Amino acid sequence: GQNIDQPTEMTATEGAIVQINCTYQTSGFNGLFWYQQHAGEAPTFLSYNVLDGLEEKGRFSSFLSRSKGYSYLLLKELQMKDSASYLCAVVGSGYNKLIFGAGTRLAVHP
Amino acid sequence: DAEITQSPRHKITETGRQVTLACHQTWNHNNMFWYRQDLGHGLRLIHYSYGVQDTNKGEVSDGYSVSRSNTEDLPLTLESAASSQTSVYFCASSESGLESTEAFFGQGTRLTVV
Repeated sequence: GQNIDQPTEMTATEGAIVQINCTYQTSGFNGLFWYQQHAGEAPTFLSYNVLDGLEEKGRFSSFLSRSKGYSYLLLKELQMKDSASYLCAVVGSGYNKLIFGAGTRLAVHP
Repeated sequence: DAEITQSPRHKITETGRQVTLACHQTWNHNNMFWYRQDLGHGLRLIHYSYGVQDTNKGEVSDGYSVSRSNTEDLPLTLESAASSQTSVYFCASSESGLESTEAFFGQGTRLTVV
């Protein structure tokens, strides 16, 4: 079977750093995506990892360890607008077919 | 600008009716996907297509069908709507390539079955 796990909710303070973890067990692996979704809106792409290591893009970074079936999304210098759900998605054995975790709802407080 | 649009944005229908949700993309992407999103479940894959005349079942395909007669459109049909199909539906498209590619999502259709 396929399983992708993320914490359901997290809270953090404006200006701080938060790490959102994702663990996965899938048949095959062809990449891991992170998406951001504000309430009532469509998911939007944040990052993509296919090789082990850290990918940095501005305030957001994403890390992947394929041997551990583990990824995290790191958000630095948190802003109020970062309050959203963060979705971890894996491409398993199916070509370009994203399998999503349930998402982590992040609340950023002043 | 290229985009992906869904219609309608909101729909209320009665149990047992046939309903079709439209998805149109101007990215010229070969890959198109339909997901439903429910609290506690995240996005679950209903059907997907890798090109014209190609359709495949996802993890929650029962009660749904799709057809792909051109590159731009992948309509989703609920054959006989049930209350369990009340959900938010998202269409997505992505480019073909040797590596996995970013999916672009439509704005979603909120469907209520009463």
